[in-house]
Amino acid sequence: AQSVTQPDIHITVSEGASLELRCNYSYGATPYLFWYVQSPGQGLQLLLKYFSGDTLVQGIKGFEAEFKRSQSSFNLRKPSVHWSDAAEYFCAVGGVTGGGNKLTFGTGTQLKVEL
Amino acid sequence: GAVVSQHPSWVICKSGTSVKIECRSLDFQATTMFWYRQFPKQSLMLMATSNEGSKATYEQGVEKDKFLINHASLTLSTLTVTSAHPEDSSFYICSAPRGSLDNEQFFGPGTRLTVL
Repeated sequence: AQSVTQPDIHITVSEGASLELRCNYSYGATPYLFWYVQSPGQGLQLLLKYFSGDTLVQGIKGFEAEFKRSQSSFNLRKPSVHWSDAAEYFCAVGGVTGGGNKLTFGTGTQLKVEL
Repeated sequence: GAVVSQHPSWVICKSGTSVKIECRSLDFQATTMFWYRQFPKQSLMLMATSNEGSKATYEQGVEKDKFLINHASLTLSTLTVTSAHPEDSSFYICSAPRGSLDNEQFFGPGTRLTVL
C-alpha cells in the first residue's frame, strides 16, 4: 500500500529564510508525487508535481521539489520564505497502478513565518 | 486553473438529520470525483470515489449507507451524510481530475459540518 510520511508537524521560519519541508513516500511502482498548500478557508492548491523526467521540479510561488528515488523522498524547498507562505503543506503520492487516480496524503506540515 | 466548488461551505445540523453536500466542477467535466474527510490538524482521508453513471466506490471502513454518494452528471457529485451524529462533524472536501493527466486533481474549498 502506498503511504506518505511528513516528519515535521510544525515548522517555524523567519521571513526571508530558506525552507525545506520533508516528505518520504512508499510506493510499489514509479510514483506520481505532489505538493499541495492549504490556507484557512481555501481549497488545496497544487504547488508542483512530479510524474517523470527531470527530478528537480519547479512550481508556483517560487517553490521547488526534488525527487530522490534512492531516498524515497520528495522534499519541498523555497530559498526565501514570505509571510504569505504561512499555511498547511501536504505531500501526496498517487499512481495509475493499483490506485488509479487516488491520492494518499501525508499528515501535513504547518508552516509559521515569523516577521 | 480548473475550478471546483462546494456547497454549502459550512453547515450546522441537529443529530439525526441528513445533510447533503454538493461538489461541482465549474469549467470542466469530471466522470470521477473524490470525497475526502479531514479531521482537525490531520490529513485528508479518502472516503470514496464517485463515478458518473455508476455506483460509488468506498474505501475500507467507510459506511456506504451512512455516506450516500450520487454522481448525477458530469459536473455534479453529492455526498449525503445520513442520520448525522456528532462524530460525523468534520471537514469534507471533494476533488475532481481533469484532462489527460488524471492524477492532477482540483480540489473544492471544503464543507465544514458540525452536528449538534
